[in-house]
Amino acid sequence: NAGVTQTPKFQVLKTGQSMTLQCAQDMNHEYMSWYRQDPGMGLRLIHYSVGAGITDQGEVPNGYNVSRSTTEDFPLRLLSAAPSQTSVYFCASSYSVGSGSSYEQYFGPGTRLTVT
Amino acid sequence: AQTVTQSQPEMSVQEAETVTLSCTYDTSESDYYLFWYKQPPSRQMILVIRQEAYKQQNATENRFSVNFQKAAKSFSLKISDSQLGDAAMYFCAYRSNNAGNMLTFGGGTRLMVKP
Repeated sequence: NAGVTQTPKFQVLKTGQSMTLQCAQDMNHEYMSWYRQDPGMGLRLIHYSVGAGITDQGEVPNGYNVSRSTTEDFPLRLLSAAPSQTSVYFCASSYSVGSGSSYEQYFGPGTRLTVT
Repeated sequence: AQTVTQSQPEMSVQEAETVTLSCTYDTSESDYYLFWYKQPPSRQMILVIRQEAYKQQNATENRFSVNFQKAAKSFSLKISDSQLGDAAMYFCAYRSNNAGNMLTFGGGTRLMVKP
């Protein structure tokens, strides 16, 4: 198993450009999510999905779009990049959670994005 | 909304000694999990240990153990016999059992290990 993969590992964008961060997992996990990591703030949830065709917003969704057409893939789209979106982005996946379960979240290696 | 606070931005420990990283959280729920994640310079997030709120016994994983004080909403991580490879960022995280698998993270503690 490759686990959770993310591409690209690094990206530099100009303000106003658009791009898609790719995330894929081969563990047949229902749950997938995107976090951003900023210094001193830990990781914050952007969007998440509990299965193909189902997505919802997290704590910091503004400026980002997601879709989930397959179980394996969960891309994150920046429609018009802004300097405030400079961050490290992590994708994570796990089996869906039922009350009392503690399915581990598996994280990808991250994408470092710089918006100038 | 839940919040997680790590009050120590940086900690330092001598190799082979013991260090404790602090974490407090705020929630009105009773059914939740707490986690400690390690992030080495490679950036990979690695699960170190987990604790279910309903379990009174503190979780232990080899050299890593927690002190879970539910009433005080405190969840500290103790690393015994510190090794150079323990140097990393450590994040405390909270997950409600009533809100899917969303994690709320603290701001992190950078642990340095001196040889």
